[in-house]
Amino acid sequence: GAGVSQTPSNKVTEKGKYVELRCDPISGHTALYWYRQSLGQGPEFLIYFQGTGAADDSGLPNDRFFAVRPEGSVSTLKIQRTERGDSAVYLCASSKTSGTQETQYFGPGTRLLVL
Amino acid sequence: AQSVTQLDSQVPVFEEAPVELRCNYSSSVSVYLFWYVQYPNQGLQLLLKYLSGSTLVKGINGFEAEFNKSQTSFHLRKPSVHISDTAEYFCAVSEKSSYKLIFGSGTRLLVRP
Repeated sequence: GAGVSQTPSNKVTEKGKYVELRCDPISGHTALYWYRQSLGQGPEFLIYFQGTGAADDSGLPNDRFFAVRPEGSVSTLKIQRTERGDSAVYLCASSKTSGTQETQYFGPGTRLLVL
Repeated sequence: AQSVTQLDSQVPVFEEAPVELRCNYSSSVSVYLFWYVQYPNQGLQLLLKYLSGSTLVKGINGFEAEFNKSQTSFHLRKPSVHISDTAEYFCAVSEKSSYKLIFGSGTRLLVRP
């Protein structure tokens, strides 16, 4: 089947605006992860969902960031009052179950640029 | 807490030459280890992973890595590289009880003809 898909692939917004980034995981995968990759760095963990609930949101940088997965499949990462420092590639990954012995499959990412 | 160090930000190499990309990690608990590759404008793809057993792990595209617990290293090797191996390579670690991947800052492999 299809891999993890993310939309949009690119998003340009102005400082202070609200953005939503979407992730469609591989069908049947119960675990979903969001990571953020800043320029020249490796991905950094943001949040992990097991089913519909956020099992760990310890990586979210502040309360402007929020993510949902209402039906246990598609997830949306929401960023309020965007700042220039939020500019990065936002990666989504999914795995069959939780636990890193399961391979995490990554999407191509959404490149966010805040002007 | 775990951390991963990839000391080489860029490794230039000629086509058909061998290559080694270095990865060192720190952790106070048992870990799983991973190498991912990121081609331009594509998502991260798993090359190989060490979970347990043999310390020499073979992955896709002719890559292999060796887990060295005493040196806390997980270096990636390929005996003969191709132009198509040009990409960014990320080493990652995870606690065995966890779900988070902790990534290094990446090494850009540049294969020249």
